[in-house]
Amino acid sequence: QSALTQPPSASGSPGQSVTISCTGTSNTFGGYNYVSWYQQHPGKAPKLMIFEVTKRPSGVPDRFSGSKSGNTASLTVSGLQAEDEADYYCSSYAGSDRFVFGGGTKLTVL
Amino acid sequence: QVQLAQSGSELKNLGASVTVSCKASGYSFMTHSLNWVRQAPGQGLEWMGWIDTATGSPTYAQGFTGRFVFSLDTSVSTAYLQISTLKAEDTGIYYCAREVKWLDHWGQGTLVTVSS
Repeated sequence: QSALTQPPSASGSPGQSVTISCTGTSNTFGGYNYVSWYQQHPGKAPKLMIFEVTKRPSGVPDRFSGSKSGNTASLTVSGLQAEDEADYYCSSYAGSDRFVFGGGTKLTVL
Repeated sequence: QVQLAQSGSELKNLGASVTVSCKASGYSFMTHSLNWVRQAPGQGLEWMGWIDTATGSPTYAQGFTGRFVFSLDTSVSTAYLQISTLKAEDTGIYYCAREVKWLDHWGQGTLVTVSS
C-alpha cells in the first residue's frame, strides 16, 4: 500500500478537464512543497510533468496544472487530448526518506 | 542536454547477480544525486533509494537492503545498481533518475527478468 493514495482510474472526453487527487499525511508530505507528478505512457520511462506542486518544466503544455490543499495534492489536465492517455503518478520528497510515490492513476480519454 | 543512458535488458537465473548501469551526460555528474526506482510488471513505481554522487554514500529504502548495492564510477559519470541472489520478485524495470528534490530526468529503464 502506497503512502500516497491515488484513484486507480480517471477518465474524460476530449476537450474536457479531469483532476487526479493524491492524498497523503503530514508525514508523507513532510511539510515540504516538493510534490511532483509524472506521466508514463506504456513501455516508456516516466516523464516529469509538475514539480514543486504547481510548476511545469519547459515543454510541458499549460493544460497541465497542479495544486495542493492540506494533505491532498491534485493534477488537473484541461482540454484533454488523446495523447494525454497514460498513467500518472504523484510523488513527494520526504527529506531523508527521499521519495514516496502514489499508486498511480490510469487516465483514459474516452 | 541531460541524458541518462542505461544498460540493456538482462535475463538471469534465480540466485544469480546482475548489474545495471546508468551513464549520465549533459551536466556535471557530481552535482545531482541519482535515485533508483523499480517497476514490477503491471505495477506502479517503487522508490529504491539514492546515491550521493559527491560522496558515493548510498541510502536504501525499506525492502531494498542487503541484496541491493548502489555504486559509482565518477571517472565515467556512471552509477551502478547491483542485485545479488536474484529472486523471482526482482523481475521488473529498473530506472535511474536525476534528483533536484524531484526526479527531473530519467533513464530509459532496464528490464531485468529472473527465470527459474
